[in-house]
Amino acid sequence: GAGVSQSPSNKVTEKGKDVELRCDPISGHTALYWYRQSLGQGLEFLIYFQGNSAPDKSGLPSDRFSAERTGGSVSTLTIQRTQQEDSAVYLCASSGVVGTGAGYTFGSGTRLTVV
Amino acid sequence: GENVEQHPSTLSVQEGDSAVIKCTYSDSASNYFPWYKQELGKRPQLIIDIRSNVGEKKDQRIAVTLNKTAKHFSLHITETQPEDSAVYFCASPGAAGNKLTFGGGTRVLVKP
Repeated sequence: GAGVSQSPSNKVTEKGKDVELRCDPISGHTALYWYRQSLGQGLEFLIYFQGNSAPDKSGLPSDRFSAERTGGSVSTLTIQRTQQEDSAVYLCASSGVVGTGAGYTFGSGTRLTVV
Repeated sequence: GENVEQHPSTLSVQEGDSAVIKCTYSDSASNYFPWYKQELGKRPQLIIDIRSNVGEKKDQRIAVTLNKTAKHFSLHITETQPEDSAVYFCASPGAAGNKLTFGGGTRVLVKP
């Protein structure tokens, strides 16, 4: 597609429920990233996928968080047993430039609210 | 891993004045330094970037300077306009170069 697409744009869930957030990167981009942005805060790295390599999961805050990327394209971020501190905007980015950090294009994000 | 510090956290300027935001990074092997602008409720968008083989880069009213010895880089906005009001983020990839570590952001308010 023309840009990075994320869905849903907004999600309200009850504490303890599981949620799935979807990211559809720019076609042909081999690198895909998930970041979390809490209210008024910076961008916190969560996970990074590059082609068929094992993902870099070093930013995932707990084992309740997981992500997969199927067929080198669409990615799903899953949060199990959501907690109120998980409330944030979850941003996905993709890049066609490998190994420099360049070329990030961000999606519009999913605003997650845990009540 | 890479650590990026950004100052100030908020900046208020009069329209027409200049704004300067500074970032320091920890990994001396880092070689790429982008700046992103995030307007309220919008996605972050790249506005300018610089690689370690140059010391300064300009694009109209914005410029970025890099001091590799001191491990810091700065964003300069001249002749500020109300549409420059946004949150600005610096970033650095560190030695691995495969993902960006972002600074905490600077909220810029341009007062008419």
